[in-house]
Amino acid sequence: AQTVTQSQPEMSVQEAETVTLSCTYDTSESDYYLFWYKQPPSRQMILVIRQEAYKQQNATENRFSVNFQKAAKSFSLKISDSQLGDAAMYFCAYRVTGNQFYFGTGTSLTVIP
Amino acid sequence: EAGVAQSPRYKIIEKRQSVAFWCNPISGHATLYWYQQILGQGPKLLIQFQNNGVVDDSQLPKDRFSAERLKGVDSTLKIQPAKLEDSAVYLCASSQRPQGSSPLHFGNGTRLTVT
Repeated sequence: AQTVTQSQPEMSVQEAETVTLSCTYDTSESDYYLFWYKQPPSRQMILVIRQEAYKQQNATENRFSVNFQKAAKSFSLKISDSQLGDAAMYFCAYRVTGNQFYFGTGTSLTVIP
Repeated sequence: EAGVAQSPRYKIIEKRQSVAFWCNPISGHATLYWYQQILGQGPKLLIQFQNNGVVDDSQLPKDRFSAERLKGVDSTLKIQPAKLEDSAVYLCASSQRPQGSSPLHFGNGTRLTVT
């Protein structure tokens, strides 16, 4: 069974500081895709960043970057220069091509002014 | 481009009543998903359509839930009769392709409260 684990239910960070959200997954597949989604109070899930498992280079999107450790099955999200608008629930998701997305239980991020 | 449209935004019903949700995906997206998100949990897939065909409905409680996508565009999800445990946010999502790194694009969801 595919599982995605987010071990930090809540995290907080000072504005302008850096925070890292953890995610681990369990799979026997070698070809898969990983995603981080943000869900603000408006409820709409927004794609933050994605990573193909076959790529060794870690994905980066502006202030957001990932640390992808394939052997350890770890996919953490780093947010640099945190802003008040980054406050939201963050969900890690895993997908094997052609199959469904599996989501973790989420991490609630608070940004302290 | 216009995003995924969902309605209604909120719905409150009594148990044993019926309810329907509507979703219009992003134009050109062949794959459409319905997710159930219970408070404090991540989204759980209910059903996945590819055009107007069902790809995966293994987690859909078929005794009370039904969904259709008749013309391969918009979709409706129905619950009849509703139970208290159906209280959740129902998210619709679409993607251009069912493969690879093609991401999900979500709507704003419908918050259902069953009393």
